[in-house]
Amino acid sequence: DAGVIQSPRHEVTEMGQEVTLRCKPISGHNSLFWYRQTMMRGLELLIYFNNNVPIDDSGMPEDRFSAKMPNASFSTLKIQPSEPRDSAVYFCASSWGSDLTEAFFGQGTRLTVV
Amino acid sequence: GENVEQHPSTLSVQEGDSAVIKCTYSDSASNYFPWYKQELGKRPQLIIDIRSNVGEKKDQRIAVTLNKTAKHFSLHITETQPEDSAVYFCAASTGANSKLTFGKGITLSVRP
Repeated sequence: DAGVIQSPRHEVTEMGQEVTLRCKPISGHNSLFWYRQTMMRGLELLIYFNNNVPIDDSGMPEDRFSAKMPNASFSTLKIQPSEPRDSAVYFCASSWGSDLTEAFFGQGTRLTVV
Repeated sequence: GENVEQHPSTLSVQEGDSAVIKCTYSDSASNYFPWYKQELGKRPQLIIDIRSNVGEKKDQRIAVTLNKTAKHFSLHITETQPEDSAVYFCAASTGANSKLTFGKGITLSVRP
């Protein structure tokens, strides 16, 4: 397995534009997490899914952020409209949630909103 | 919800010395405590984890200890090497199908 795959690796966009980040979890994993990493706030959990169902979205900053998981092999995180303060590295991670197990992280998407 | 705190936020040690990184957590129901290492520009990766039914776990130069009564756990790195320089995150989880809550991370620098 290639691990958790995120795209794009880097995204530069203008304020006000829509941004879509994509994630393919490891095959067979049933939990998927979206994290945002900044110097000031560290690793923040935005939302997580279990069996494609959103379980906890309390970390989503505001209505400009939305996430979907239409099937077990794909998830998106959308920001509309984007703002400069959204600039961060966004990580997707997946795990097999039937036991207490490791979360595997993707390479991350570095988002810059100018 | 769970709150995980790490102390200190930065740590610098001489190569060959030991490093200890401490974390505290707030939710007494937490029962899984992993440690992740993140090198500059890379993804966090698991280096060791411990479950609540165990007090200590070792893997070569690294070890983790857990004190459930005090709600803290620590990462111990012996014989530190320059390649140990990275950001280390602790995390806590209350169990299967639940989320990992991370601490803010500590930057470890190992001086050659």
